[in-house]
Amino acid sequence: GENVEQHPSTLSVQEGDSAVIKCTYSDSASNYFPWYKQELGKRPQLIIDIRSNVGEKKDQRIAVTLNKTAKHFSLHITETQPEDSAVYFCAATWGYGQNFVFGPGTRLSVLP
Amino acid sequence: DTEVTQTPKHLVMGMTNKKSLKCEQHMGHRAMYWYKQKAKKPPELMFVYSYEKLSINESVPSRFSPECPNSSLLNLHLHALQPEDSALYLCASSPSGQVEAFFGQGTRLTVV
Repeated sequence: GENVEQHPSTLSVQEGDSAVIKCTYSDSASNYFPWYKQELGKRPQLIIDIRSNVGEKKDQRIAVTLNKTAKHFSLHITETQPEDSAVYFCAATWGYGQNFVFGPGTRLSVLP
Repeated sequence: DTEVTQTPKHLVMGMTNKKSLKCEQHMGHRAMYWYKQKAKKPPELMFVYSYEKLSINESVPSRFSPECPNSSLLNLHLHALQPEDSALYLCASSPSGQVEAFFGQGTRLTVV
């Protein structure tokens, strides 16, 4: 089955700096890679996703890159703000939610 | 309505109690899921319903019993739970033919 690793487990950055979170996956059949943000006590919220036919996707301050050959994908957040502080989960799947495998999460702290 | 709604938000139950968690969505999504999330861990898939039929059961103990009465509603019936079952229970749904999963705000369950 799919196995998703995520690094780092914790990340502290100064406000305004960039943050990068990296994930690797094991199943070459995986073709959809979402990123979720989860604030304390709240639901995971989809913030960006990428499909295997695309190498990069941007949405304002957030971008995701995918390297299918190396089986890794990364989340990039630029100009970080305190409200970006949360736990971020990457995931990989080749189908519907039945194949959703989450990474262990990265706790991002943006220091003012 | 663009949300997945879960009730109750919080639930405390004894080990001999029977209770149910409820999830509703009115977005026409035909796949619905139950996840369990322990503190500081990623969500773990429990059950998947596709077109109101159970398609995935991730070896979940029988004290958890899912039910999908119609395309908008998903229940999780709980009976004879253990304290280690205390967790955040998340419902999610996906549009037909799509992969994206949208989460409800969860039910925080405490078993005493």
